[in-house]
Amino acid sequence: GAVVSQHPSRVICKSGTSVKIECRSLDFQATTMFWYRQFPKQSLMLMATSNEGSKATYEQGVEKDKFLINHASLTLSTLTVTSAHPEDSSFYICSARQTSAYNSPLHFGNGTRLTVT
Amino acid sequence: GESVGLHLPTLSVQEGDNSIINCAYSNSASDYFIWYKQESGKGPQFIIDIRSNMDKRQGQRVTVLLNKTVKHLSLQIAATQPGDSAVYFCAENKTTQFYFGTGTSLTVIP
Repeated sequence: GAVVSQHPSRVICKSGTSVKIECRSLDFQATTMFWYRQFPKQSLMLMATSNEGSKATYEQGVEKDKFLINHASLTLSTLTVTSAHPEDSSFYICSARQTSAYNSPLHFGNGTRLTVT
Repeated sequence: GESVGLHLPTLSVQEGDNSIINCAYSNSASDYFIWYKQESGKGPQFIIDIRSNMDKRQGQRVTVLLNKTVKHLSLQIAATQPGDSAVYFCAENKTTQFYFGTGTSLTVIP
């Protein structure tokens, strides 16, 4: 149980274009999902908390107009990188909790490798 | 801000030996901790968790120890196998957010 699916696994786009990444909870409902970014050989950096039916909460320093988050259903959250630039190239990973209890583990998708050329 | 750090960035062990990965956390109010394993190009995989009202928890071949006095967390892997080679992160949870450490890269030597 507690499977989180992320799509696509890899994407290459040209500078200036937008890219959408999907995150789905396959066997549970998630009112909250979390989006992380990871640079090579570094840790996970929380970008934003995606809340079903309401606005996402962004971490300090993360541009909400550049990283658009939509959580339209209890099983799907999307992250859109708008007007992508080479510095946006990174590994993006989503996660969700199977229960609403805060002291329960996050389950992660397999990530999306974004390369902006 | 809160931080979670690891004592060793890399660790090499012989196959069959036990591995110990350490983690220091700074927020004494954190009350839930998790160890994750991340293989190259994949998302983190849950290994084991522990709540602050415990000091030890065992899983299959893994044991997590929590020392709240010195704010230290460790992951012990018994009879380490080549498939255990990965980066291991500890994470601490306070309210709704998880803070991740920098990671320890474990290499198992056949």
